[in-house]
Amino acid sequence: SQTIHQWPATLVQPVGSPLSLECTVEGTSNPNLYWYRQAAGRGLQLLFYSVGIGQISSEVPQNLSASRPQDRQFILSSKKLLLSDSGFYLCAWMGGGGREYTEAFFGQGTRLTVV
Amino acid sequence: GQQLNQSPQSMFIQEGEDVSMNCTSSSIFNTWLWYKQDPGEGPVLLIALYKAGELTSNGRLTAQFGITRKDSFLNISASIPSDVGIYFCAGKGAQKLVFGQGTRLTINP
Repeated sequence: SQTIHQWPATLVQPVGSPLSLECTVEGTSNPNLYWYRQAAGRGLQLLFYSVGIGQISSEVPQNLSASRPQDRQFILSSKKLLLSDSGFYLCAWMGGGGREYTEAFFGQGTRLTVV
Repeated sequence: GQQLNQSPQSMFIQEGEDVSMNCTSSSIFNTWLWYKQDPGEGPVLLIALYKAGELTSNGRLTAQFGITRKDSFLNISASIPSDVGIYFCAGKGAQKLVFGQGTRLTINP
């Protein structure tokens, strides 16, 4: 069965420090991978998605970047965090390769607090 | 970024009541998904809809994929305390998966 791992679960970082959040998927190949951010009590904002290794699509201009160095690994990064980067970050995977019937499954999330 | 219009934003109901929420979009989607999120957790899939007009049930939950492919609704019958949480609709296009703003459900016992 497929599983998705996201870590760390919580993170407190000072303003100006770098960030690296990692997400890995097991039990599937060539998944579509997604990073979302959720502000407190709000909806999920799509930040980045990837349909293959090295392929990154950015949805909103921001202080963050994403990379996909391996088929089932998706990394969210920042060189210098801002206070506004605080939030709940969620990684999700969905069957790729143009499959018609597929759903998205989420990791447990990382709560990032920038202080 | 693109988002779906989900309503209502919040609901306060009595235990045992039925619940209805919906999502609309200006874009056509080929898949509609409904999720529930508990505090501090990732969303969990409730129902997936793949065909326009499709009506699907999962226990006390029923969801429909609108004929125009631009809307969907979710009904919960006979609500119970564990139904409390935030419900999200999501529309899937070619590659992207975009979400509504969520409906926060609160149940009074």
